[in-house]
Amino acid sequence: SAVISQKPSRDICQRGTSLTIQCQVDSQVTMMFWYRQQPGQSLTLIATANQGSEATYESGFVIDKFPISRPNLTFSTLTVSNMSPEDSSIYLCSVLKIAGDGYNEQFFGPGTRLTVL
Amino acid sequence: AQSVTQLDSHVSVSEGTPVLLRCNYSSSYSPSLFWYVQHPNKGLQLLLKYTSAATLVKGINGFEAEFKKSETSFHLTKPSAHMSDAAEYFCVVSSTTGTASKLTFGTGTRLQVTL
Repeated sequence: SAVISQKPSRDICQRGTSLTIQCQVDSQVTMMFWYRQQPGQSLTLIATANQGSEATYESGFVIDKFPISRPNLTFSTLTVSNMSPEDSSIYLCSVLKIAGDGYNEQFFGPGTRLTVL
Repeated sequence: AQSVTQLDSHVSVSEGTPVLLRCNYSSSYSPSLFWYVQHPNKGLQLLLKYTSAATLVKGINGFEAEFKKSETSFHLTKPSAHMSDAAEYFCVVSSTTGTASKLTFGTGTRLQVTL
């Protein structure tokens, strides 16, 4: 399994500001992901955080709005830039690891609950 | 392309009665399928997964799911609901068995358990 921590756990921010969310894993992982869960909705993949190269963004998400860093195999950050109330969501970090049965599993962090006023 | 449809946004059962949460999937490849549970203000937890082995998959907390290729379904069941089962449940599909690098989530089913 994987133990994932995120900081902060929640924050309330003013529109126009930026917030950086940190994700720390207890072991080295190749693949890390960032998801968004808007109020009352399901999870949407924002991007894959690649170590040593630029993140891979999904359709509808851009680097200028959601810059991502991945300096090593256990840590990543997601920044939500120039925030608006529409950015109010839970942001989740996720990692891919090989489970005991030899198949990959995705593990999720506890999430960061962001409210933009 | 892959997609997941959870047929019920909200299910309410009495404690001690069976639970059925329905999920249909669409995938161009042999899929891996998962059920995750999210309790209020908590992270996502994997309940069970199907990865082309046995079609009847047993998970944690007494839950199980059956993969039916002919019906493209992966419904989640539990014989007897407990109050602690009240949560949001997500059916998830990944297109490639064994390398679940990109997951597609269903819209979720909120399970309510009443006395």
